[in-house]
Amino acid sequence: LAKTTQPISMDSYEGQEVNITCSHNNIATNDYITWYQQFPSQGPRFIIQGYKTKVTNEVASLFIPADRKSSTLSLPRVSLSDTAVYYCLVGAPTGGGNKLTFGTGTQLKVEL
Amino acid sequence: GAVVSQHPSRVICKSGTSVKIECRSLDFQATTMFWYRQFPKQSLMLMATSNEGSKATYEQGVEKDKFLINHASLTLSTLTVTSAHPEDSSFYICSAVGGRDNQPQHFGDGTRLSIL
Repeated sequence: LAKTTQPISMDSYEGQEVNITCSHNNIATNDYITWYQQFPSQGPRFIIQGYKTKVTNEVASLFIPADRKSSTLSLPRVSLSDTAVYYCLVGAPTGGGNKLTFGTGTQLKVEL
Repeated sequence: GAVVSQHPSRVICKSGTSVKIECRSLDFQATTMFWYRQFPKQSLMLMATSNEGSKATYEQGVEKDKFLINHASLTLSTLTVTSAHPEDSSFYICSAVGGRDNQPQHFGDGTRLSIL
């Protein structure tokens, strides 16, 4: 299972764009990159998933360089409610599921 | 979007009690469900992988006789913590994934288990 490395914590202010980078040097050919958000006492919530280049949805963008050894989650114009732990995971989500290994995650704190 | 329901959300019971936690996929069929445990200020730790109709696969160090997992249907998996003790107190979270390729895991909201 590919290991991921993320900053332990990040601070930001409301209205700013936040970019969280994750390193996954040993990513395998079949692995996808998935980001989750977790609030205290809740289960992780799916944010975005990608394989290469750029993926965008209504809440975030995911940038993946050509070598796929890292990825960056971009949160546009964060608010206080975006304060949470963000996990980057890599794995091959084949039919029937592939187990994921959670790293330490990044604690994002958004202030006024 | 995919919804996973976990019940109960919180359990407080005496030492020696067995506790059952349910995990249901509400709007999709989950061929595989996963059970995690999370201690305060720590990340999620995978306990076991459960495939519908077959025995669960446990991670190293997880006692299968202590944590009984049943995945009898494509929408329901249960985790039973048998003869729970205070050290079993934790936040237990399930996730489910459908049978199609490239589907992410979707998580329940967790069960806070407190053993007195």
